[in-house]
Amino acid sequence: DSGVTQTPKHLITATGQRVTLRCSPRSGDLSVYWYQQSLDQGLQFLIQYYNGEERAKGNILERFSAQQFPDLHSELNLSSLELGDSALYFCASSVGGAGDFEQYFGPGTRLTVT
Amino acid sequence: DQQVKQNSPSLSVQEGRISILNCDYTNSMFDYFLWYKKYPAEGPTFLISISSIKDKNEDGRFTVFLNKSAKHLSLHIVPSQPGDSAVYFCAARTGNQFYFGTGTSLTVIP
Repeated sequence: DSGVTQTPKHLITATGQRVTLRCSPRSGDLSVYWYQQSLDQGLQFLIQYYNGEERAKGNILERFSAQQFPDLHSELNLSSLELGDSALYFCASSVGGAGDFEQYFGPGTRLTVT
Repeated sequence: DQQVKQNSPSLSVQEGRISILNCDYTNSMFDYFLWYKKYPAEGPTFLISISSIKDKNEDGRFTVFLNKSAKHLSLHIVPSQPGDSAVYFCAARTGNQFYFGTGTSLTVIP
């Protein structure tokens, strides 16, 4: 158990809808990362937050947004969903210091868009 | 643009033998390289890392080698055990961004 929790575990929704994925980092971790893993793809970095502020942005679509709240949990919002958004979405957390590179991953949320 | 590539989707090895997983990258600005292990229905777990200023890092049965001139890294597992059967991802960091490969599924045959 990494200490990172993600809810829900599974989500099935229709095209055009909007969903919110939630992540609670390990106790004491200030950084949260979001990744997308589509079929046969590696993990694609979407976005990173550190202590409530956006720190880095990867291949995140404009239809997607995220935020980190004062209690350090994070939410990833996916809107106007398309079939291609079906994927496993992972959240990871880390301490967040300058030399920090070890991330702890949650179990993921499997999103199916029909 | 895949900056980190794992060209072998799968690998099978006999128990007790060496497993060698390979990874290539294109960005010379990467400063840390990492290996993660992933079991089904779980998130990836950190295994071992190496700084770009080193060429080898060892942790128990796991050794990572970095060849910067070839932009290549490899993970050696010796001896391989059935519990090592999992998907292995290599990853690389530049700034605050991490780039992951597509993974290699390792099967260790008892």
